[in-house]
Amino acid sequence: KAGVTQTPRYLIKTRGQQVTLSCSPISGHRSVSWYQQTPGQGLQFLFEYFSETQRNKGNFPGRFSGRQFSNSRSEMNVSTLELGDSALYLCASSWFGDRLSYEQYFGPGTRLTVT
Amino acid sequence: DQQVKQNSPSLSVQEGRISILNCDYTNSMFDYFLWYKKYPAEGPTFLISISSIKDKNEDGRFTVFLNKSAKHLSLHIVPSQPGDSAVYFCAAPRNAGNMLTFGGGTRLMVKP
Repeated sequence: KAGVTQTPRYLIKTRGQQVTLSCSPISGHRSVSWYQQTPGQGLQFLFEYFSETQRNKGNFPGRFSGRQFSNSRSEMNVSTLELGDSALYLCASSWFGDRLSYEQYFGPGTRLTVT
Repeated sequence: DQQVKQNSPSLSVQEGRISILNCDYTNSMFDYFLWYKKYPAEGPTFLISISSIKDKNEDGRFTVFLNKSAKHLSLHIVPSQPGDSAVYFCAAPRNAGNMLTFGGGTRLMVKP
């Protein structure tokens, strides 16, 4: 079974631009979560989508948004990029988010550099 | 607020010895915990988990212990191997969904 894939793997943008990152979950997984990893803040939850609906949202400004399509693929968008948005963006997928198992399977991440 | 904390940023262990990675949490509502391993340029990989109804869970060389009264969990790796060198994160889910709160990570170095 193929793992979680993320595209692109690396991206360089300038301040003020916007960016869209893509994530394809493991086949059959319906929940997709996004995380930001930075040296200073560690791994922080951005948002989770389940059946095309945002189910949970972390403490990030409105410049960060996402969506999920009917095939469970997800995109996240960051508008008006700031230098502090430079980070590794990780996507994770899982089954129904059932309380019996919280295992999430992560993709390799997209390394975003804002200059 | 840092609800999950890993107070040791790094740990160095000799090959064949035991590695013990620690994690503390403040939110008594957490009832499930996970450990992830992360290599550079890769996403975290799930290692092992434990429910609060247990105090120990074992999977091969990896054992997680949970002390609810102390709000503390630990991951034991025995015997440690050079391939175990990575950053280890403990995490807990919130809001009955897939919102994981991660600790800051501990970099484990296993020396041959």
